[in-house]
Amino acid sequence: AQSVSQHNHHVILSEAASLELGCNYSYGGTVNLFWYVQYPGQHLQLLLKYFSGDPLVKGIKGFEAEFIKSKFSFNLRKPSVQWSDTAEYFCAVAPFGNEKLTFGTGTRLTIIP
Amino acid sequence: DGGITQSPKYLFRKEGQNVTLSCEQNLNHDAMYWYRQDPGQGLRLIYYSQIVNDFQKGDIAEGYSVSREKKESFPLTVTSAQKNPTAFYLCASSMSATLNTEAFFGQGTRLTVV
Repeated sequence: AQSVSQHNHHVILSEAASLELGCNYSYGGTVNLFWYVQYPGQHLQLLLKYFSGDPLVKGIKGFEAEFIKSKFSFNLRKPSVQWSDTAEYFCAVAPFGNEKLTFGTGTRLTIIP
Repeated sequence: DGGITQSPKYLFRKEGQNVTLSCEQNLNHDAMYWYRQDPGQGLRLIYYSQIVNDFQKGDIAEGYSVSREKKESFPLTVTSAQKNPTAFYLCASSMSATLNTEAFFGQGTRLTVV
């Protein structure tokens, strides 16, 4: 069975700082990878996803993530964060050919103006 | 509007009672999911369904049951066997995670057992 690890539980940054949130998964086969964001009081929504092709994927609001197969990682990055990026971020994985979508424990991001 | 509707938003029940949480979607999605969200534990998968009349246990299925008699509906029953039922429950649907389509989430139901 697959699993997802997000080692950063709470990250605090100042505006304009660069961001990298870690995500590692365990599964031996092909996977689809996702990052979701939950802004305070709102639904979870998709930031970006990886299926195949270019391992560097770009999402909404200036976020990007890089899939490194050898490291089983899919880290989320943003070069310059804004106060409005304050939210909880979840990494998720689904094995190819299976609908089981598994989430990590989430990382709470707080941006200080 | 297209989307996922969970009801009710807040639910209170006495210990020992079964309770059913509703989840309806009008997105024509094949896959549906139930997650439990607890502080510091992220979203944990309870059950998922890839197609009508079929569902699979997730990682924490004990004490829960589901049905998928219609494509648009995936109700979750929290039974008296669930040892710690007080939590925030999220329902989601997607066309297909296998095809890398995103999951859409409902607003959630906060269940409190007293």
